[in-house]
Amino acid sequence: AQSVTQLGSHVSVSEGALVLLRCNYSSSVPPYLFWYVQYPNQGLQLLLKYTTGATLVKGINGFEAEFKKSETSFHLTKPSAHMSDAAEYFCAVLLSGTYKYIFGTGTRLKVLA
Amino acid sequence: GAVVSQHPSWVICKSGTSVKIECRSLDFQATTMFWYRQFPKQSLMLMATSNEGSKATYEQGVEKDKFLINHASLTLSTLTVTSAHPEDSSFYICSARKQLANTGELFFGEGSRLTVL
Repeated sequence: AQSVTQLGSHVSVSEGALVLLRCNYSSSVPPYLFWYVQYPNQGLQLLLKYTTGATLVKGINGFEAEFKKSETSFHLTKPSAHMSDAAEYFCAVLLSGTYKYIFGTGTRLKVLA
Repeated sequence: GAVVSQHPSWVICKSGTSVKIECRSLDFQATTMFWYRQFPKQSLMLMATSNEGSKATYEQGVEKDKFLINHASLTLSTLTVTSAHPEDSSFYICSARKQLANTGELFFGEGSRLTVL
């Protein structure tokens, strides 16, 4: 069975500090992995995705994530946090053979001035 | 490109009434659309998969007679919450898959917040 675990439901960082949001997956087949951001009362916006190829994936707004098969991880990072990064972040894996996503429980990022 | 729009964004209704939420793909054709429910401060729960021209496939535990889904065209899917009750109050989000696309990427609407009084 495929699953996604996000460690830390809440993460706080200072403005300008490194952002690290953790995501581990479980999959018996090569996974398709996604990070989405959700601002209050809005839908989800794709930050980045990994399907095949390069394991370091760059996304929008300066975010990137690295697919590490040996660690079954797909952590999201950004070198320098901005106040506008404060939002809910969801990691998701595509259920093999379908277009269904399995979402993690989400991590709320707070950026401190 | 790849914009998905939901309407209404907010809706308040009385208990016992029915509410329809629309999900439209504005600039692409969507073979498949998905409906999710999100409770406060929680993740998205997939309710059903909607395929154009066929019956929706509901996830386990989702009442199909309660949440009617219609996907009449390649750009429109509707979710009707029938005989709504306060416990149906939630944030409903749709997503759409581009026709013929196989990247796995879905495009999400902005969500519709339903409050049942």
